[in-house]
Amino acid sequence: EDQVTQSPEALRLQEGESSSLNCSYTVSGLRGLFWYRQDPGKGPEFLFTLYSAGEEKEKERLKATLTKKESFLHITAPKPEDSATYLCAVLHTGFQKLVFGTGTRLLVSP
Amino acid sequence: DTAVSQTPKYLVTQMGNDKSIKCEQNLGHDTMYWYKQDSKKFLKIMFSYNNKELIINETVPNRFSPKSPDKAHLNLHINSLELGDSAVYFCASSPPGLAASGTQYFGPGTRLLVL
Repeated sequence: EDQVTQSPEALRLQEGESSSLNCSYTVSGLRGLFWYRQDPGKGPEFLFTLYSAGEEKEKERLKATLTKKESFLHITAPKPEDSATYLCAVLHTGFQKLVFGTGTRLLVSP
Repeated sequence: DTAVSQTPKYLVTQMGNDKSIKCEQNLGHDTMYWYKQDSKKFLKIMFSYNNKELIINETVPNRFSPKSPDKAHLNLHINSLELGDSAVYFCASSPPGLAASGTQYFGPGTRLLVL
């Protein structure tokens, strides 16, 4: 069965303190790995799609990378508005469904 | 001009009641989903419809019955509500194609509390 594990569960950073979130996955036939951001009281918002090992995507202070076993979401010089829960999910080749991890709650203090 | 909308936003009800949640998307997508997010924030798919046809039906009690009157709408009816049904329910939609199906647009959620 497809499994997605995210770490750490929670992360507290000072503004400007760069760090990385991890998403480890076990899936037979990865179709894509997806990162989402979820703000409190709202639905998840799509950030990135990664399709193959070695691929990287960037958006403002965020950069997502992918290997054959895990993905990292690097946050460079974060700001308080980056505070949210970051979810990763995998799409299996044979199934049209996303399997989500449990998320990393990020809090960036000014 | 909300892309994916859900009603109601909050739902408080007694055990044993029947309730419905409605979802509409104006993105022109063919595929729509229902997810349940529990108190630990774990998001799990329940159902998926493609152009009004059920394509994913996870292990969900048959008290939950989705209905898609057209490809822009997906409703969720829940019979005989139980305490464990308390959660946030999200509707989502995605563009056509398997690869694009991971790029999903979520509604704001319906917070269901069963007393």
